Formats: sequence, structure tokens, C-alpha cells
Amino acid sequence: NAGVTQTPKFRILKIGQSMTLQCAQDMNHNYMYWYRQDPGMGLKLIYYSVGAGITDKGEVPNGYNVSRSTTEDFPLRLELAAPSQTSVYFCASSYILTDTQYFGPGTRLTVL
Amino acid sequence: AQSVTQLGSHVSVSEGALVLLRCNYSSSVPPYLFWYVQYPNQGLQLLLKYTSAATLVKGINGFEAEFKKSETSFHLTKPSAHMSDAAEYFCAVTEGGGSYIPTFGRGTSLIVHP
Repeated sequence: NAGVTQTPKFRILKIGQSMTLQCAQDMNHNYMYWYRQDPGMGLKLIYYSVGAGITDKGEVPNGYNVSRSTTEDFPLRLELAAPSQTSVYFCASSYILTDTQYFGPGTRLTVL
Repeated sequence: AQSVTQLGSHVSVSEGALVLLRCNYSSSVPPYLFWYVQYPNQGLQLLLKYTSAATLVKGINGFEAEFKKSETSFHLTKPSAHMSDAAEYFCAVTEGGGSYIPTFGRGTSLIVHP
């Protein structure tokens, strides 16, 4: 049971490039989430999903896209990377909204 | 609407001293409350959670938190700090109706001095 896995661990992008952050969970959780964490700002919700085929925007969705074709996978796409997207990105999952969230190890992204 | 406030972005204690990390919430219905811990360069992991059973909740590593409805608080305590407790701590709330994505506080960094 691997829990929540994220790839890559680190990435450096140039301004304007695109990339996909991968997230997978093997706990058969319905809910999956993408957060970004900036120093002193806590966690900001980017997008979330309540099940395969269903996604919704969080607090800071601009510049990002998601899809959820399976229960297990929830990739986050960055289009036209900007320096403001330099952050640490965490994927999480839970069975229901009031349940514990399980977090991945994070992806540290730098946009130069 | 739900929200959570963590008082103090940094808390510094000596090893062996009491740890007190403050969390206040707002919620229009009975809440579910969580404390998560984040060690350096890692993801968050659950420390403890309140789900409307006992108001005093015991978690891992000797931490506990007390739900006080009258004060809308869910402060985290540990009687004696250990160097390994140095980490970032996040309080989170979601309303008991189960319709709202959990809201996280900004986090409190616990610094433990030898």
C-alpha cells in the first residue's frame, strides 16, 4: 500500500513551458485534492475532485488544469508556466470530506 | 462559512517545556477538526482529529487537543516538548454536514531549543 505518490519530486521550468504533475493513490478514495504551499501562507486549494470525471475549482485555479479519468489518478497540468507558480505542490486524497486527508510527499517546482 | 485561525506563525519552546499551539475556528454547524504535522521536506500527516465524540482527543507522539465549543477553539498541547517535535503544525476544519472542502490554517512553526 503506497498511499499517495507524486512525481516528479523536483522540477525547474522556464517561463512559458508546460508540465504535468502526476498524482496517484491506491486507497480507493473518492476525493482527491491539489494544494500549493508557499512560505507562511499555509495550503491553498487549487482543484479538487469528488470522483472519476468530476472536478471543481478551489481557491487558486488560474493557470492550472486537472482531469480525473480514473479513481486512482489526478494529474495537475500547468500551462504557460510563470514565476508566480514557483511553489511546493501537494496532492492529497480522502474517502469522504470529513475524513482524514492523506498527503503525498510533494513536488518542488521552480519557474525561472 | 467555515474558517480557521492559528495564532502565532512561530512558537519557540525549550526541550521539556509545555507546547501550546492555538487554533480557533468558525463554523455554522458542528465541525470536524484536525491537526496535521509537517516535518521538513515531507507531506502533511494526521496528528489527531475531533469528530464529535470525546472533547479531549489524544493523538500520536503524546499530543492532545481539546474541543471547546464555547470558545470555538481546538488548541494543541503536549506536556513536554522533544527536539523531534520541531515541525510545522496545521489546524483544519470542515463542517459536519460533509459538504465543504476542509479549510486549513496558515500553520505554526514549532521551534524546540535544547
